[in-house]
Amino acid sequence: QVQVQESGPGLVKPSETLSLTCNVSGGSMSSSAYYWGWIRQPPGKGLEWIGNIYHRGTTQYNSSLKSRVTTSVDTSKNQFSLRLTSVTAADTAMYYCVCGVGTTFEYWGQGTLVTVSS
Amino acid sequence: NLLLTQPHSVSESPGKTVTISCTASSGSIGDNFVQWYQQRPGSAPTTVIYEDDHRPSGVPDRFSGSIDRSSNSASLTISGLKTEDEADYYCQSYDADYVVFGGGTKLTVL
Repeated sequence: QVQVQESGPGLVKPSETLSLTCNVSGGSMSSSAYYWGWIRQPPGKGLEWIGNIYHRGTTQYNSSLKSRVTTSVDTSKNQFSLRLTSVTAADTAMYYCVCGVGTTFEYWGQGTLVTVSS
Repeated sequence: NLLLTQPHSVSESPGKTVTISCTASSGSIGDNFVQWYQQRPGSAPTTVIYEDDHRPSGVPDRFSGSIDRSSNSASLTISGLKTEDEADYYCQSYDADYVVFGGGTKLTVL
């Protein structure tokens, strides 16, 4: 069973870059059976898809965030990462890393709360 | 762009049946599969329905999903409600290659 776990700073200053890493265990990141993604949830609000990255490095991003988002995979470390630049208070959210199988976000991390504040 | 609209909240009594709708606009609900996720307070979401009407192993058969192309909507039906079903429920689908979530529905079992 695949397990994913987010890590990274819980506090980021406005205008700076948010960087998170997701550690993967129990599944091969090189497998075409899986894809990897990020989803966030502002406090008290709904889920917002950030983007996906596939085993060959293809990426898809939410059009509203595309200009500020970068995702990458490091199969040697069993990790994938998220970078979100020029953050504002509106980027304060619980950030989840996920493993997708077929049409479904099958495996979720527990989430990491990132607060944007000076 | 596809927009998925859910009721903000629904409530029902234990033992009863509730249906949560997910209505598509600017697109056809039947074009791509719909998934449903349950999120209990303080926890990450989990899948309760995938590909319109399939239940993952471990999800009780009290949960069912359906698509109604005439109303351009998907539905999640939970029968024999239990207090443990109280949670937020999100539908999710795709618009071309983009992932779209509904706004979520808070289910209260009282």
